[in-house]
Amino acid sequence: DAGITQSPRYKITETGRQVTLMCHQTWSHSYMFWYRQDLGHGLRLIYYSAAADITDKGEVPDGYVVSRSKTENFPLTLESATRSQTSVYFCASSEPGQGVHEQYFGPGTRLTVT
Amino acid sequence: KNQVEQSPQSLIILEGKNCTLQCNYTVSPFSNLRWYKQDTGRGPVSLTIMTFSENTKSNGRYTATLDADTKQSSLHITASQLSDSASYICVVSAIFGGGATNKLIFGTGTLLAVQP
Repeated sequence: DAGITQSPRYKITETGRQVTLMCHQTWSHSYMFWYRQDLGHGLRLIYYSAAADITDKGEVPDGYVVSRSKTENFPLTLESATRSQTSVYFCASSEPGQGVHEQYFGPGTRLTVT
Repeated sequence: KNQVEQSPQSLIILEGKNCTLQCNYTVSPFSNLRWYKQDTGRGPVSLTIMTFSENTKSNGRYTATLDADTKQSSLHITASQLSDSASYICVVSAIFGGGATNKLIFGTGTLLAVQP
């Protein structure tokens, strides 16, 4: 049972480059989420998706783009990376109808923008 | 504004000792409160989830309490082990999207170090 995976686990890129972080889940959960985690802040929601082809902004969406053509994949793209986007990114998934909507997190991607 | 505050920011205890972590929140509309454990370099993993009507829940050596009137929660760790060294994050869930899912508001965590 692979669960939820993210790739790459570590990425260094330069300012202005486009970079895509991948997220894949094997549970067929409807909902998927992208968070970023920075020192001094709790995890903050970037984007979420309620189903394939349905996405919506979270708390900090600027500079990010998402897509969801398949239920199991939810890539996050930084179109022109900036130093302020240096962070650890977590993907999560959940399934409505399971009571408390437990979210399951991936292992994270540490992104450094130089 | 929805907020979750945790204390202390960090804590060092000796192996075998007990400790209690605190969480205060202002979140509406409240759905449930969760405690997550996050090991270094890993994603958060759920320890307990409590709804409005629950005031205590245990998961092994972890016991969480919730006082919905004062909007406070605590996580008590009994007989700590070296493997308990991690960040413990209080997360309050708000009803969102017409109830279809929950919006999670994360605290900044308490970093616990258990020393031998």
